[in-house]
Amino acid sequence: GAGVSQSPSNKVTEKGKDVELRCDPISGHTALYWYRQSLGQGLEFLIYFQGNSAPDKSGLPSDRFSAERTGGSVSTLTIQRTQQEDSAVYLCASSLGVGTQYFGPGTRLTVL
Amino acid sequence: AQSVSQHNHHVILSEAASLELGCNYSYGGTVNLFWYVQYPGQHLQLLLKYFSGDPLVKGIKGFEAEFIKSKFSFNLRKPSVQWSDTAEYFCAVRTNFGNEKLTFGTGTRLTIIP
Repeated sequence: GAGVSQSPSNKVTEKGKDVELRCDPISGHTALYWYRQSLGQGLEFLIYFQGNSAPDKSGLPSDRFSAERTGGSVSTLTIQRTQQEDSAVYLCASSLGVGTQYFGPGTRLTVL
Repeated sequence: AQSVSQHNHHVILSEAASLELGCNYSYGGTVNLFWYVQYPGQHLQLLLKYFSGDPLVKGIKGFEAEFIKSKFSFNLRKPSVQWSDTAEYFCAVRTNFGNEKLTFGTGTRLTIIP
């Protein structure tokens, strides 16, 4: 596609439920990143993929968070047993090797 | 760990005023520096970047930024702002070249009054 796409654009869930957020990077981009933007905060790094492997998962806030990438393309971020503090905008970005990161529109997650 | 500071949280200017948004980072080694912009209802877009070479870099829409290594700064400037520049501006640094992750500042909200 022409840009990074993310789905859903909005997700409202109840506390304790699991959610899956999807990211489709720009075609051919080898690197993929997940960030989180909470109200009044900057962007917080979560995880980085190079191909299908994740050399840096240091930003995942707890073991409730996991992510995978398949076929060197689509990535899914899963949050288990969601908590209210998980409410944020989750952003995905992709880049071609060592290059500029291009961001998607984000998924706004609201945990009630 | 590296960090990025944007001391101006909200800036309000009239059209045609000059703009300077501050960005300071804490890291002693080689850095790549970025400014991203988020217009209302839109996603983050790259405004400009510095990798190496001339420390004065020019970006889209008349923006420029100057990398001053001795001050650990990468301030964003525009000589004459327009109402359409109303947006949130984020400074970011990349330091670990085996990782490529970006560390962002908390952002500066810019409001331009017509």
